[in-house]
Amino acid sequence: DAGVIQSPRHEVTEMGQEVTLRCKPISGHDYLFWYRQTMMRGLELLIYFNNNVPIDDSGMPEDRFSAKMPNASFSTLKIQPSEPRDSAVYFCASSTSGGASWNEQFFGPGTRLTVL
Amino acid sequence: GENVEQHPSTLSVQEGDSAVIKCTYSDSASNYFPWYKQELGKRPQLIIDIRSNVGEKKDQRIAVTLNKTAKHFSLHITETQPEDSAVYFCAASRSAGNKLTFGGGTRVLVKP
Repeated sequence: DAGVIQSPRHEVTEMGQEVTLRCKPISGHDYLFWYRQTMMRGLELLIYFNNNVPIDDSGMPEDRFSAKMPNASFSTLKIQPSEPRDSAVYFCASSTSGGASWNEQFFGPGTRLTVL
Repeated sequence: GENVEQHPSTLSVQEGDSAVIKCTYSDSASNYFPWYKQELGKRPQLIIDIRSNVGEKKDQRIAVTLNKTAKHFSLHITETQPEDSAVYFCAASRSAGNKLTFGGGTRVLVKP
């Protein structure tokens, strides 16, 4: 398995533009998580899904952020409109609820977002 | 909800010495405690984890201990090497829901 795949790896955009980050979880994993990492705030959980259904979005900073998971192999995190304070590294992670490695989260390589 | 506190926030050790990072958690129902290592510019990667049915687990130079009564767990790295320099995160989780609550991280610097 290729692991968790994220795209793009780097994104530079201007304030006000829409940004879409993409994630493909590990096949067979039923949980998907979106995190944001900054020096000031550390690793923050934004939202997570179980079987494509959003379970907890309490970490989503505001209405400018939205996330979807239309099927088991794809999720998006969208920021519209983007602001400079959204600059961060965004990680996607997936895990399974079954088997010996239940709860172990596997992280993707991250998307480094810079909003100018 | 769960709250995980991690100490210290930075740790500088001489190569060959041991490093210890401590975490406390608040939710007595938590039963899974992973440790992640994040090198500069890379993703967090699991290095060791412990489930609540054991008190200690070792893997070569790293070990984790768990005290469920006191609600704390620790990471021990022995014979530290420069490649151990990274940020380490502890986390806690219940068996249901899979959500991990992370500590604030410890930046470890191993000086040659």
